[in-house]
Amino acid sequence: DSGVTQTPKHLITATGQRVTLRCSPRSGDLSVYWYQQSLDQGLQFLIQYYNGEERAKGNILERFSAQQFPDLHSELNLSSLELGDSALYFCASSVSLIAYEQYFGPGTRLTVT
Amino acid sequence: AQTVTQSQPEMSVQEAETVTLSCTYDTSESDYYLFWYKQPPSRQMILVIRQEAYKQQNATENRFSVNFQKAAKSFSLKISDSQLGDAAMYFCAYRSAQGAQKLVFGQGTRLTINP
Repeated sequence: DSGVTQTPKHLITATGQRVTLRCSPRSGDLSVYWYQQSLDQGLQFLIQYYNGEERAKGNILERFSAQQFPDLHSELNLSSLELGDSALYFCASSVSLIAYEQYFGPGTRLTVT
Repeated sequence: AQTVTQSQPEMSVQEAETVTLSCTYDTSESDYYLFWYKQPPSRQMILVIRQEAYKQQNATENRFSVNFQKAAKSFSLKISDSQLGDAAMYFCAYRSAQGAQKLVFGQGTRLTINP
């Protein structure tokens, strides 16, 4: 158990819908990262937050957005869902910007039908 | 942009034997970190080992060790005395020491352990 929690574990929804994935980092970790794992794209970095502020953006679609709240939990919002958005979404956390180890949550499996 | 390549989609090894997984990367940076992550069927991403680019000594964690060749931009993982629980997808990952802290992953190698 990495100490990072993600909810829900599984999510099945229809095209065009909107979903929110939630992540709670390890206690004391200030930085949160979101990654997407799909069969065709592999593991890709989406976005990073540090202490409530957006820090870095990767291959994140405009239909996707994220935020980190004052209690440091983070949410990833996916809207206008398409079949190709079906993937495993991971949240990871690290204690600081300098810390090189990222601890991954168990992931949320999103299926768009 | 940095890229990570794992040229072996699948590998298999007999239980108790040794196996080496390959990884190459491309970067213009001199300071960075390299990692091997394990993803078992549970899908959990587990950090196996890390290597700081400024360290010449190869990292070791119990049965896991790396062969880090900075000039060749190569970072292989050696698993000794393979166990059934080692069966998983293994991902090589790169992280800059400065700037973005994102991990850049390779495509993964699926490791099968034969009893």
